[in-house]
Amino acid sequence: EAGVVQSPRYKIIEKKQPVAFWCNPISGHNTLYWYRQNLGQGPELLIRYENEEAVDDSQLPKDRFSAERLKGVDSTLKIQPAELGDSAVYLCASSFWTSGGTLTYNEQFFGPGTRLTVL
Amino acid sequence: AQRVTQPEKLLSVFKGAPVELKCNYSYSGSPELFWYVQYSRQRLQLLLRHISRESIKGFTADLNKGETSFHLKKPFAQEEDSAMYYCALSGASYDKVIFGPGTSLSVIP
Repeated sequence: EAGVVQSPRYKIIEKKQPVAFWCNPISGHNTLYWYRQNLGQGPELLIRYENEEAVDDSQLPKDRFSAERLKGVDSTLKIQPAELGDSAVYLCASSFWTSGGTLTYNEQFFGPGTRLTVL
Repeated sequence: AQRVTQPEKLLSVFKGAPVELKCNYSYSGSPELFWYVQYSRQRLQLLLRHISRESIKGFTADLNKGETSFHLKKPFAQEEDSAMYYCALSGASYDKVIFGPGTSLSVIP
């Protein structure tokens, strides 16, 4: 099991250019998360998907960021245009999460991240 | 507001010495608290959660609701404990996890 797969691992672009990140979650995980981790800080949630539905995108800067999770499996996160302040590590995580009934925390499994540098 | 604070960015201890990584939180309600760890060149992974009351790799953490703290402790630090540690919390619905800024632990041989 490869775990959560992300690509690319590193990306260097000039400001105002577009960039896209790809994530393949663990098989069977219905919930997918995109986090941004700035230097010296913990991960911050950008968007959470349950299957193909974005159930929490309140922290996603919608003027330049977009995400999709077609067919409820792979996901892409896009920035267009990128700004200097977007330099960070973008993490994808997945879990199997259920709502209703007795809730239990199902561990989030993280990918290796994509380190974005905007020049 | 929901928030997790970790007052120490860096913590250095000698091998065999006790270690305590501090975590405080603010949350209106009953949160669930976690510790995540990231070893060098590895992925972020769950270390332990307060509800499990487990000792993982010799680490324990007790939730103190009065002091709103969830400090991580280990009586005898090992070199392999050197890593970045993140305290995190989630609400009762587990739909969102909020991470602290992290503490970098260095165990000196």
